[in-house]
Amino acid sequence: DQQVKQNSPSLSVQEGRISILNCDYTNSMFDYFLWYKKYPAEGPTFLISISSIKDKNEDGRFTVFLNKSAKHLSLHIVPSQPGDSAVYFCAARDVLAGTASKLTFGTGTRLQVTL
Amino acid sequence: KAGVTQTPRYLIKTRGQQVTLSCSPISGHRSVSWYQQTPGQGLQFLFEYFSETQRNKGNFPGRFSGRQFSNSRSEMNVSTLELGDSALYLCASSLETGVTEAFFGQGTRLTVV
Repeated sequence: DQQVKQNSPSLSVQEGRISILNCDYTNSMFDYFLWYKKYPAEGPTFLISISSIKDKNEDGRFTVFLNKSAKHLSLHIVPSQPGDSAVYFCAARDVLAGTASKLTFGTGTRLQVTL
Repeated sequence: KAGVTQTPRYLIKTRGQQVTLSCSPISGHRSVSWYQQTPGQGLQFLFEYFSETQRNKGNFPGRFSGRQFSNSRSEMNVSTLELGDSALYLCASSLETGVTEAFFGQGTRLTVV
């Protein structure tokens, strides 16, 4: 039962354009969402997060949007750079878990930023 | 400030053996979680330790176990290894003072042959 879904396994975007990575979830008890970026042979690196009480959070080139009614979040990267090429994981925390550390991850989207 | 350190980085074991992986969290972090990453499955939560106690456990068989020491370092053990246990095992630490992100180590790549 995949509670966090990233339906696009891969995405290719030209340098300078916008990258939009999507994530859907089914568990209404998720109260906190995070995006991680992962390069090969490295652990995931935290990118940006958003609480369920907000609908937008921005950090430099990265913006996360949350639509609770649709159980959907998206990560926008503007402008995209070649160094952004990596696998992006969406993750969610279940408020019942009572801890920041138990995260449910999506299967990831591989972003390729081309020149 | 040192990050999360996992040892060893790579490991090859044969079926039926057991293996122990180690994780040293970021200094001051008291929560350590373990995840298994396999192709197509993403990251699957194994368990979380806080103050030497297991707080949460994922849906993995009893062959997967762990522990945490008083200095917050953690180990996970997999007994009677199966080919399907081949994966990247990731450890994450967090401060545990409210809403915060988890910081991951580079992982241990386990190959079972």
